Amino acid sequence: EVQLVESGGGLVQPGRSLRLSCAASGFTFDDYAMHWVRQAPGKGLEWVSGISWNSGSIGYADSVKGRFTISRDNAKNSLYLQMNSLRAEDTALYYCAKDMSLVGSGTFDYWGQGTLVTVSS
Amino acid sequence: QSALTQPASVSGSPGQSITISCTGTSSDVGSYNLVSWYQQHPGKAPKLMIYEGSKRPSGVSNRFSGSKSGNTASLTISGLQAEDEADYYCCSYAGSRWVFGGGTKLTVL
Repeated sequence: EVQLVESGGGLVQPGRSLRLSCAASGFTFDDYAMHWVRQAPGKGLEWVSGISWNSGSIGYADSVKGRFTISRDNAKNSLYLQMNSLRAEDTALYYCAKDMSLVGSGTFDYWGQGTLVTVSS
Repeated sequence: QSALTQPASVSGSPGQSITISCTGTSSDVGSYNLVSWYQQHPGKAPKLMIYEGSKRPSGVSNRFSGSKSGNTASLTISGLQAEDEADYYCCSYAGSRWVFGGGTKLTVL
């Protein structure tokens, strides 16, 4: 059974940093691209960042480019999101999502339950 | 990065069919056959319903179907059931990034 378990969320002040993690199990992690997708309270889904199976291809939404860094450790079956210079508008539930392909097709076939990030003073 | 355009809400009675549109541009929906659709019930994670425009993942009812014409993709749900009531999101590849629609709330009357 595929499982994606996010962690690392919490309350953080504007301008500070936070690192999210996603522990994957139930599939061959290094066979698939992975993504972070967020959802602000009461709002829709927003793609944040994606990374190919070997970290050779990485992309970011304009809203987080230069502030967020996605990475993965295939030996640990883990995905990460380093979030710097956090803003109030980054407040959201952050989902880890598995892609159906190696390099990234944007077909998110499995999702975690999310970790909540709240940016507030 | 503009979101894809979806109607805010649609409704239908049990047994009826409804269609949700997802309008993008020639830079996303119109250029790639990589549109997917997700169902989200309140407090739950999204669930993949349609991918690559019209393909259904294993386990998804054949009452759900997808199509595309030009810059607009569509999700059709036939034989509406109470459990179909949820939010639906489209998503498209847009060249090194992905963009979601704003979401459509489906109400089963």
